[in-house]
Amino acid sequence: AQKITQTQPGMFVQEKEAVTLDCTYDTSDQSYGLFWYKQPSSGEMIFLIYQGSYDEQNATEGRYSLNFQKARKSANLVISASQLGDSAMYFCAMRRYNNAGNMLTFGGGTRLMVKP
Amino acid sequence: EAGVAQSPRYKIIEKRQSVAFWCNPISGHATLYWYQQILGQGPKLLIQFQNNGVVDDSQLPKDRFSAERLKGVDSTLKIQPAKLEDSAVYLCASSFDSYNEQFFGPGTRLTVL
Repeated sequence: AQKITQTQPGMFVQEKEAVTLDCTYDTSDQSYGLFWYKQPSSGEMIFLIYQGSYDEQNATEGRYSLNFQKARKSANLVISASQLGDSAMYFCAMRRYNNAGNMLTFGGGTRLMVKP
Repeated sequence: EAGVAQSPRYKIIEKRQSVAFWCNPISGHATLYWYQQILGQGPKLLIQFQNNGVVDDSQLPKDRFSAERLKGVDSTLKIQPAKLEDSAVYLCASSFDSYNEQFFGPGTRLTVL
């Protein structure tokens, strides 16, 4: 069974500083993908970054980077130069492939609060 | 390009009543997903459609929940009768096909009193 664990229910960060949000996963699949989504108070899930299990380099998208450590089964999100608008819930998700195509399993989320 | 549309955005009902949610996916997207997100938790997949066929409904409480996507475009999710524990945000997502990235709608927040 797939499992995603986010151990930080809430995090504070000072504006303009970097922050790391933790994510560990459990799977026996060889091929899988890891996603990070942002969910502001409006409720919509906004895709941030993706890492495939066979990607050798860590993914980066602007201020977001994913610290992928396959042997440790961790996929931490690093946000550099935090902004007030980064305050939101952040979800780590794992995609596995099955007969139906692909399924997303989400972690419990981390609430990030950026302080001015 | 228009995103995934959902309505209503908010709904308040009493337990044992019925409710229906509507989703319009991104044009051309064959795969549609319904997720339930209980407060403080991550979304949980309820049902996945490929065009108008169901490919995964293993986590759908079929005694009270039903969903359809008759013409392979719009979809409705129905709860009948609602229970207190159904209070949640119901998210709809779509993807070009079942192997591509999922795009989410704004969700419908359901409160059951």
